[in-house]
Amino acid sequence: KNEVEQSPQNLTAQEGEFITINCSYSVGISALHWLQQHPGGGIVSLFMLSSGKKKHGRLIATINIQEKHSSLHITASHPRDSAVYICAGNMEYGNKLVFGAGTILRVKS
Amino acid sequence: ETGVTQSPTHLIKTRGQQVTLRCSSQSGHNTVSWYQQALGQGPQFIFQYYREEENGRGNFPPRFSGLQFPNYSSELNVNALELDDSALYLCASSSRVTEAFFGQGTRLTVV
Repeated sequence: KNEVEQSPQNLTAQEGEFITINCSYSVGISALHWLQQHPGGGIVSLFMLSSGKKKHGRLIATINIQEKHSSLHITASHPRDSAVYICAGNMEYGNKLVFGAGTILRVKS
Repeated sequence: ETGVTQSPTHLIKTRGQQVTLRCSSQSGHNTVSWYQQALGQGPQFIFQYYREEENGRGNFPPRFSGLQFPNYSSELNVNALELDDSALYLCASSSRVTEAFFGQGTRLTVV
């Protein structure tokens, strides 16, 4: 079992739909990152959070420390949101990141 | 756009050769981590450097080695390349209290 699990692996949505990607982790982390990776490899950090909720534009990230679970929500999805979304836990010791396998999101117009 | 730059962006090497990948870190960040991402998979931690010292290592053989320089830029060296080393290599710079900033990656193909 991976230390960081994401679901779903693949997600196809219609433009305008509300999207949720889930991330569960089994190790102690000091923070959780949500990352976006576009074709070609570049990774952009969307959020780093250690408690509660953060919002940036149409993106919302939440984390429940007790349940070791985080979600990334996209409101009013758009085709330009199509990308791979990866959650990564910042290990409590050593500061390394442990990645989930990613969720491939495709938003159709 | 982040301040993390990786070079080269693409590279083709022959099995058995050696390769050096480079990464400049974001200003103010003293930690650089390297990750290998095989096609269709999430990145895997190779190692991390903090203030020029290796500060953690993933499950990679010793032929994967690295350096961090006083300006916190870093190199990843891979000796005796194998076909399975073909992947996207990502570096991320961070500090203890900030999010990680990623470079665009180096796509290595071993033939």
